[in-house]
Amino acid sequence: DAGVTQSPTHLIKTRGQQVTLRCSPKSGHDTVSWYQQALGQGPQFIFQYYEEEERQRGNFPDRFSGHQFPNYSSELNVNALLLGDSALYLCASSLGTLHTEAFFGQGTRLTVV
Amino acid sequence: QKEVEQNSGPLSVPEGAIASLNCTYSDRGSQSFFWYRQYSGKSPELIMSIYSNGDKEDGRFTAQLNKASQYVSLLIRDSQPSDSATYLCASNFEYNFNKFYFGSGTKLNVKP
Repeated sequence: DAGVTQSPTHLIKTRGQQVTLRCSPKSGHDTVSWYQQALGQGPQFIFQYYEEEERQRGNFPDRFSGHQFPNYSSELNVNALLLGDSALYLCASSLGTLHTEAFFGQGTRLTVV
Repeated sequence: QKEVEQNSGPLSVPEGAIASLNCTYSDRGSQSFFWYRQYSGKSPELIMSIYSNGDKEDGRFTAQLNKASQYVSLLIRDSQPSDSATYLCASNFEYNFNKFYFGSGTKLNVKP
């Protein structure tokens, strides 16, 4: 049973560039949430996708956008990268949107230089 | 402001002792609570979930929830060096969505 998979695991980008991160949820899960974790901090909620729509959004600018595909996989796009976007980006999958346990992928470490 | 607060630690305990990790939250409407373990450089791993007042036990782990005091704790019995990690407390403040608010984590060191 495949868990949550994310790609790539590491990424280095230049300020101003754009980046796309990918996530495949755990088998049987239909909801994908994205989190940003800065060093020494807890994960911060970016947004959640369910039924191919963005259902909830955290306090992140419009430079952060996403998409969910019919097979429940998801992408996170970040435009006009800033140095402050350097962080561990985590994808969490769950079944449905109501108070269910969420399981994280291994994360993508993004470094903006 | 919806917040989850944790002592950053580090909390140091000797091998075999009980480690007690604590968490408070700001919103009385919180519905569910989760403890995650995160090793350095790795992603969070779900340890326990708790939804009702009282204790919930799973192996060496016990989660305790007191909604009146807005307080969640995690007890780790017979602590092992492999338990050394950062423990993240999370709460779902939203009734209709799985939107987790995380504390900044407590670093636990178990000394052999």
